[in-house]
Amino acid sequence: GENVEQHPSTLSVQEGDSAVIKCTYSDSASNYFPWYKQELGKRPQLIIDIRSNVGEKKDQRIAVTLNKTAKHFSLHITETQPEDSAVYFCAAVNAGGTSYGKLTFGQGTILTVHP
Amino acid sequence: GAGVSQSPRYKVAKRGQDVALRCDPISGHVSLFWYQQALGQGPEFLTYFQNEAQLDKSGLPSDRFFAERPEGSVSTLKIQRTQQEDSAVYLCASSLLGLAGLQETQYFGPGTRLLVL
Repeated sequence: GENVEQHPSTLSVQEGDSAVIKCTYSDSASNYFPWYKQELGKRPQLIIDIRSNVGEKKDQRIAVTLNKTAKHFSLHITETQPEDSAVYFCAAVNAGGTSYGKLTFGQGTILTVHP
Repeated sequence: GAGVSQSPRYKVAKRGQDVALRCDPISGHVSLFWYQQALGQGPEFLTYFQNEAQLDKSGLPSDRFFAERPEGSVSTLKIQRTQQEDSAVYLCASSLLGLAGLQETQYFGPGTRLLVL
């Protein structure tokens, strides 16, 4: 089955700096890679996703890149703000064939943005 | 519209008790997933329903765990004879169609935090 590794486990930055979180996956058939943000005690919320037919996607201050050859993908947050502080999870899905899209998550990254 | 809801939000059980956790998916969503999130970890898949059919229960950790979705909407996750290792947040997620090959967004509920003493 799929295995997703996520690094770093904690990340501390100053407000305005950039933050990068990296994930690797094992199943070459995985073709959909969402990122979720989870604030303390709250539900995971999708912030951005990327499909395997593109290498990069951007939405305002956040962007995701995908390298299918190397089987890794990354989340980039620019101009970080204190409200970006949360736990971020990457996930991988094999959404093709007979799959119905169950998510395999990374271990999470605790991002702290200091004012 | 309303998102995914779960109840109760918190549950404290004595070891050996049975518990039932409820999930109300987004109305009309065909697919429903249950995940278990241990403290400090990412969610892990438990089971999947497409309408009322349970198509995958490969993630259920033991036969003490049972899930159902009899009318294809509300789902219940039941844990019998709870153990301390069952303490976790149980998350429910739904997606619209769940058809093979679709890369659909899963919308999560707030979770039920279960503590087994």
